[in-house]
Parts: sequence; C-alpha cells; structure tokens
Amino acid sequence: GAGVSQSPSNKVTEKGKDVELRCDPISGHTALYWYRQSLGQGLEFLIYFQGNSAPDKSGLPSDRFSAERTGGSVSTLTIQRTQQEDSAVYLCASSLVGRNGELFFGEGSRLTVL
Amino acid sequence: DAKTTQPPSMDCAEGRAANLPCNHSTISGNEYVYWYRQIHSQGPQYIIHGLKNNETNEMASLIITEDRKSSTLILPHATLRDTAVYYCIVRALRSTDKLIFGTGTRLQVFP
Repeated sequence: GAGVSQSPSNKVTEKGKDVELRCDPISGHTALYWYRQSLGQGLEFLIYFQGNSAPDKSGLPSDRFSAERTGGSVSTLTIQRTQQEDSAVYLCASSLVGRNGELFFGEGSRLTVL
Repeated sequence: DAKTTQPPSMDCAEGRAANLPCNHSTISGNEYVYWYRQIHSQGPQYIIHGLKNNETNEMASLIITEDRKSSTLILPHATLRDTAVYYCIVRALRSTDKLIFGTGTRLQVFP
C-alpha cells in the first residue's frame, strides 16, 4: 500500500492475555518506530528499528513488551500478560533514512484490556 | 524530555490566520524545527520543517527567529479541518533518532 498499515485496528482482550500488533511500513523505508498514546495523553516512544536491529529500545515500559522486525519490513509488537494500563493506541511510523526526516504514521491499533 | 515549549491551547476563527508559537531555546546548530499535527483519532501528520530560513509549503509557513530560539507555524487561512493538536519538535536532519513529542498545542478553529 501507499501508507503505513497497522493491524488490527481495534483489539479487545482480557487481562493476562498476550497480544500481537502488526505494522507494515512504507516500502523501502528502513527506519520504523513504535509509539503509544493513552487516552488524552501525548505520544510515548517505545522502540525504534533501523533495518532489523533495534538500536533504541529505551521506551519499552517493561519486559512484557517486545518487538521484532523481519526482512527489514514488517514489525510485530508483542505485549505479554496484558494489564489494564496497557490500554492505549499503538502507533507505528516509518521513514526513509537520509531524507528530510519525515515520519509517516499509520492509523494505529487501539488496544483495550478488560 | 521534549526540548520545546508550546502553549497548551489556542483558538482561531475560520478563515483567519492561525499563528502557533514554539520556544526551543536550547536548539543545537544541527537541529531542525519540525511541525506535526494530530487530528483526532488519526496518526500524526508531517507539516513542515526548517533550519533557519523561513519555509512555506502548501500546508503552512514556518517562521524561525534569527537566533533560532523560537519559531511560529502559520496556517494562513484556517479551516475547521485544521482543528488538531500541533507538535513542534527539534531534531537533527538526517538523524534517525526518535521524535520526542511534547504536549503540543490544541488548536480549535471555530466557525
């Protein structure tokens, strides 16, 4: 597609379950970012990928959160043993290294933990 | 921590110019000023960026002071669809560092 694609767009899960959120960046974009945004709050950085490696994982809030990227393309954010405070919109963005630094964001995955 | 300071909210009448200020007094010589906006329930959208010269594109104009310690984003003819949260961010141009979003300015355009 032409833009960043995220799935699912909405996910409702029970506390304690694991969830996987997927991000398809724009083709050719080597940098990929995950953010989350709780209701009424700003964007919180989670992790950044350059290719398949993650030089900056500083925003992951706990060891229940992990992410991987394969083939320099699709990325998956996994949250294990979800808690109610994990409820948020998880946003993915990609960018083309060496250009003007513009990040292209997806529409996000809204996670609700009951 | 965000390196920018913005007013939490502003109002603007439809059809008038919206001028959104941003302070970035600790900006480094290699850092650009970027503006993004986030319309409700959507992902952030890039608007414009600049180093020291004023910039203009189809969406907005960016005015950066000579000392580069502050800037103003100008939407020349605001419409209701411009209602959004506007984020001012400083970042090195070719950096792949994360964008650090502050709290932004919530712009409300009214009829």
